[in-house]
Amino acid sequence: QKEVEQNSGPLSVPEGAIASLNCTYSDRVSQSFFWYRQYSGKSPELIMSIYSNGDKEDGRFTAQLNKASQYVSLLIRDSQPSDSATYLCAVNPSSGYNKLIFGAGTRLAVHP
Amino acid sequence: NAGVTQTPKFQVLKTGQSMTLQCAQDMNHNSMYWYRQDPGMGLRLIYYSASEGTTDKGEVPNGYNVSRLNKREFSLRLESAAPSQTSVYFCASRQAATEAFFGQGTRLTVV
Repeated sequence: QKEVEQNSGPLSVPEGAIASLNCTYSDRVSQSFFWYRQYSGKSPELIMSIYSNGDKEDGRFTAQLNKASQYVSLLIRDSQPSDSATYLCAVNPSSGYNKLIFGAGTRLAVHP
Repeated sequence: NAGVTQTPKFQVLKTGQSMTLQCAQDMNHNSMYWYRQDPGMGLRLIYYSASEGTTDKGEVPNGYNVSRLNKREFSLRLESAAPSQTSVYFCASRQAATEAFFGQGTRLTVV
């Protein structure tokens, strides 16, 4: 079982819709969770970090963490064509406090 | 505002050649990382260093060696390059369990 799993997509949504991206992880005691966005040919950049159960909102982005079910999600409201990118979920596993493991990423396409 | 700097940006190697990828950060971070990214595979951790003087294997360490030269610098060495090591390599750094900052990447082709 992979430590961090994401649906590779592509996830296609119309402009203005809500995009929902999901990530599951295998280590039940993982502590820190991150969502990164990566445009083609560029480096990953942080969108959100979340450390405790519940929702965390930042502008059009909401991260949701459910440790009991071992999933973390990212909602993008009012999706724009500029949101089209690959979204990477990253987790700090308990096997190594300083390790940072990424999922394979979900490609999002927002069409006008 | 340099952040994380990787050199070189592009490299072509012949099978069996060796090379070292350099990474330096100016954010006084303790932890540094090397990842490789292949199409559809996300970022796979090669090695990481939790602090100066320590290094640990990640998910795909075979064929690579690393050196944490000092707090700023973390290098990745390919002793005998193979076509399977053709990839984009990213260096990253962070403080404790906070967000990681990435370099601009090195696109390596082994022919």
